[in-house]
Amino acid sequence: ETGVTQTPRHLVMGMTNKKSLKCEQHLGHNAMYWYKQSAKKPLELMFVYNFKEQTENNSVPSRFSPECPNSSHLFLHLHTLQPEDSALYLCASSQGPGQGFSPLHFGNGTRLTVT
Amino acid sequence: DAKTTQPTSMDCAEGRAANLPCNHSTISGNEYVYWYRQIHSQGPQYIIHGLKNNETNEMASLIITEDRKSSTLILPHATLRDTAVYYCIVPPDNAGNMLTFGGGTRLMVKP
Repeated sequence: ETGVTQTPRHLVMGMTNKKSLKCEQHLGHNAMYWYKQSAKKPLELMFVYNFKEQTENNSVPSRFSPECPNSSHLFLHLHTLQPEDSALYLCASSQGPGQGFSPLHFGNGTRLTVT
Repeated sequence: DAKTTQPTSMDCAEGRAANLPCNHSTISGNEYVYWYRQIHSQGPQYIIHGLKNNETNEMASLIITEDRKSSTLILPHATLRDTAVYYCIVPPDNAGNMLTFGGGTRLMVKP
């Protein structure tokens, strides 16, 4: 149990589907992150939210749409994805900026397959 | 970012110390060295971090050279459950928690 829960663990979707990934943290953190991990490639930072405000968008295509309704929940809405978007999507949380050192706590990810 | 260089893979015998090196020759004075690991089918897990002094916690020890251009993560008694990819990360001073993960070292602990 990492304190960061991601659902679903596995997702298969067609290119015309719309789906959402959910992340919830029970650690009292103020910052949340989405990372993408494709096969044979390093983790790529996608989005950062600090105190519910998006502070980083790492040139992510608009078919990925994040939402952070509160500091404990983070969503990634998916639509019209491509097969190359198949990957492990990882959520992480930490204390927000200016609150001292806080390591990233990761969930175990959602394994997404786009067919 | 200060670039880090790690061996692609390493083996270690169960019960022996695992010493994982990392080169970060362009590190600047205020940049920390962080280590994370990722066990198969799990998200990355924080291990330890340091600035210039050696550090130890319940998981590992971190030895940083005096010139700070390299470091070594030490798992004193490796177990099979320590088999994972180990990432050495040196983010810019102003990066906050926006960490950039490289390829890491795949450590295989063998019986």
